[in-house]
Amino acid sequence: NAGVTQTPKFRILKIGQSMTLQCAQDMNHNYMYWYRQDPGMGLKLIYYSVGAGITDKGEVPNGYNVSRSTTEDFPLRLELAAPSQTSVYFCASRTNDRNYGYTFGSGTRLTVV
Amino acid sequence: GQNIDQPTEMTATEGAIVQINCTYQTSGFNGLFWYQQHAGEAPTFLSYNVLDGLEEKGRFSSFLSRSKGYSYLLLKELQMKDSASYLCAVRDGITGGGNKLTFGTGTQLKVEL
Repeated sequence: NAGVTQTPKFRILKIGQSMTLQCAQDMNHNYMYWYRQDPGMGLKLIYYSVGAGITDKGEVPNGYNVSRSTTEDFPLRLELAAPSQTSVYFCASRTNDRNYGYTFGSGTRLTVV
Repeated sequence: GQNIDQPTEMTATEGAIVQINCTYQTSGFNGLFWYQQHAGEAPTFLSYNVLDGLEEKGRFSSFLSRSKGYSYLLLKELQMKDSASYLCAVRDGITGGGNKLTFGTGTQLKVEL
């Protein structure tokens, strides 16, 4: 039981490049989320999904896209990377039982230069 | 929207008790969570309150007053390993809203000898 797995752990991108941050969970959770965390700032929600085939924007969606073709996977796509997207990205999932909190992946540290 | 306030930093002594406060102003409320985050790591779930009162989990307790928009996390018998950032998060009460969490900026706790 791996929980929430994020890849890669670190990545350096040049301005204008694109990449996909991978997130997979093996807990059969319907709810999945992408957050970014900047130094001294709280976690900001980028996109979320309440089940396969359903996604919605969070607080800071600009410059990102997501898809949810399966329950397990929730990749985050960055098109035309910008320095403002330098951040630590966390994927999280949650069981349908609302008494429990999110389970977070270990994060992807992205630098755009 | 959600507005969450918590102190930026706190320092306490090993073996002592510390209380970390969190105040919130929200357009909808469906529970308050506390997370612990060590430097360079993912947040981990500590506690959840949805009704007023105190929830106790070993050395950690969390209190909620919905009428005052106030919560605190109480850490007893502090240990050096408790040095971390503590994140307060509020879950929205919007039906069909994905039960999203909005996070505060975190309180950096330093435990000293």
